[in-house]
Amino acid sequence: AQKVTQAQTEISVVEKEDVTLDCVYETRDTTYYLFWYKQPPSGELVFLIRRNSFDEQNEISGRYSWNFQKSTSSFNFTITASQVVDSAVYFCALTIVKTSYDKVIFGPGTSLSVIP
Amino acid sequence: DTEVTQTPKHLVMGMTNKKSLKCEQHMGHRAMYWYKQKAKKPPELMFVYSYEKLSINESVPSRFSPECPNSSLLNLHLHALQPEDSALYLCASSQGPEPYNEQFFGPGTRLTVL
Repeated sequence: AQKVTQAQTEISVVEKEDVTLDCVYETRDTTYYLFWYKQPPSGELVFLIRRNSFDEQNEISGRYSWNFQKSTSSFNFTITASQVVDSAVYFCALTIVKTSYDKVIFGPGTSLSVIP
Repeated sequence: DTEVTQTPKHLVMGMTNKKSLKCEQHMGHRAMYWYKQKAKKPPELMFVYSYEKLSINESVPSRFSPECPNSSLLNLHLHALQPEDSALYLCASSQGPEPYNEQFFGPGTRLTVL
């Protein structure tokens, strides 16, 4: 069975602090995709990044960086120098190739509050 | 145009009403989705349309009836809903139904059933 765990339910940081959101996934499949989505208070989920199971290269995009480690089944997300606009719920998600459709298995989400 | 639009933004309905939610995308995406999201929970998949055909129904009660009139439009018809159906209903689309495609979400319709 597939599962995504985000152990941190809520995090509060002061603006300009760095923050890491944890994501641990479970799957027996060797081919899968991992995603991060951001859901601001406005409601719509925004795609942030996709990583496939064969690409363990870490990625940096501006203040955002992602650390994918297959050995620990983790795909953690770090925001550097956080800003108030980063306040949102962040979902880590998993899809596996053997399904015939794109069913996204979402983690429970981490609510991030950045305090000015 | 890289957005998914949803109307209405808010909807209040009684348990005997019939209403419809509408979703539209003009990105040429061939897969479209309906999700239900309760407060402080992740989205739950309801339906998947792939190339305008219903490919997945995640055991959703028949009081929810999806429709895909064309490749850009997705409707969700609501009838005889229950108060527990109150939630944020999100529409999404992706280039295709394959698992590697990211999904683009609309802002949702916040539904209240009285």
